[in-house]
Amino acid sequence: GQQLNQSPQSMFIQEGEDVSMNCTSSSIFNTWLWYKQEPGEGPVLLIALYKAGELTSNGRLTAQFGITRKDSFLNISASIPSDVGIYFCAGRRDNNDMRFGAGTRLTVKP
Amino acid sequence: ETGVTQSPTHLIKTRGQQVTLRCSSQSGHNTVSWYQQALGQGPQFIFQYYREEENGRGNFPPRFSGLQFPNYSSELNVNALELDDSALYLCASSSLAGFRDEQYFGPGTRLTVT
Repeated sequence: GQQLNQSPQSMFIQEGEDVSMNCTSSSIFNTWLWYKQEPGEGPVLLIALYKAGELTSNGRLTAQFGITRKDSFLNISASIPSDVGIYFCAGRRDNNDMRFGAGTRLTVKP
Repeated sequence: ETGVTQSPTHLIKTRGQQVTLRCSSQSGHNTVSWYQQALGQGPQFIFQYYREEENGRGNFPPRFSGLQFPNYSSELNVNALELDDSALYLCASSSLAGFRDEQYFGPGTRLTVT
């Protein structure tokens, strides 16, 4: 089952608003990743984080690797309609053990 | 650069049957991982293949098996299908070239077991 607790489960926001979602775990991970999945497609990698405390941006997206190595957050600034989708956090201990959260479903109203 | 492809796109099987799903890895990648994604859930790791050998396995029974071929493509086989096997099956390829070898997903195969 899922070992990562991702919140919120869903968000309904107005275009232009900022969004914040997070992921926590009882276990330590060496890498945190954030993926976005749209209907009929596989998850697409948005940001990968490799060191505790690391803060990384990809355009309007910013993610941080928590200093305890048990959590991560993703922020989206100035949301636009194409941000709609399901965002997943994933934690990895080694190359073949990647665990996913249950996802945050984002809806953006124009 | 060719991305990860999977076939078929959709599949309907009957309980007790067997199914084979296929995945072609991204150009330059030598590792394939398979995931099961139930409706409303995140992907769950089934297993990973590297250089034609299983290189790690999640909490799935032995009736889930796989193969990797010399060209790094892969198959997922599921025997004795159960209703709960209905899900989106995703494969992801990576290079295992170093610590920062991230996985890139295909579009998935939607399996329905009736």
